[in-house]
Amino acid sequence: DAGVTQSPTHLIKTRGQQVTLRCSPKSGHDTVSWYQQALGQGPQFIFQYYEEEERQRGNFPDRFSGHQFPNYSSELNVNALLLGDSALYLCASSGGTAEKLFFGSGTQLSVL
Amino acid sequence: AQRVTQPEKLLSVFKGAPVELKCNYSYSGSPELFWYVQYSRQRLQLLLRHISRESIKGFTADLNKGETSFHLKKPFAQEEDSAMYYCALSPVSNFGNEKLTFGTGTRLTIIP
Repeated sequence: DAGVTQSPTHLIKTRGQQVTLRCSPKSGHDTVSWYQQALGQGPQFIFQYYEEEERQRGNFPDRFSGHQFPNYSSELNVNALLLGDSALYLCASSGGTAEKLFFGSGTQLSVL
Repeated sequence: AQRVTQPEKLLSVFKGAPVELKCNYSYSGSPELFWYVQYSRQRLQLLLRHISRESIKGFTADLNKGETSFHLKKPFAQEEDSAMYYCALSPVSNFGNEKLTFGTGTRLTIIP
């Protein structure tokens, strides 16, 4: 089991562009959560997907959207990129309500 | 609003000495508290959670509701404990513990 896998590992975009990040959960997990980690900060919760629907959301603008597919994999989309969106984006998966989170290695997004 | 504070960005301790990483939180309800760890070139992973009351790798943490603290302790530091440590809080909900609020982290360095 490869655990949680994220792609790409690194990405460079310019302001105003749109970006899509991808995540495959750990085998057996059905819930995917996304976090943004700015340099020197702890991860910040963006949203969570379960049964192909957004179940919980943090304090992020509507420019941040997501999707979960029937195979439980997930995408994070960010529109109209700002310089401040530069960060490490972490995906975490879990199964059931009491399972611990397993994190991926992240996608490093740089917005120029 | 919920908040997690880790007052020390950096902490250096000699091998064999006791370790204490501080964590204070603010939350109006009854939260679940966690410690996550990230070793060099590894993924963020759960170290322990307060409801399990277990000791992992010699680390323990006691939830003090009166002082709203969840400090991480180990009696004798080992070199392999060098890592980044994050304290995190999750509201108790039917949706599990995926919506975590993280502190800014403490980088622990064990001096040989």
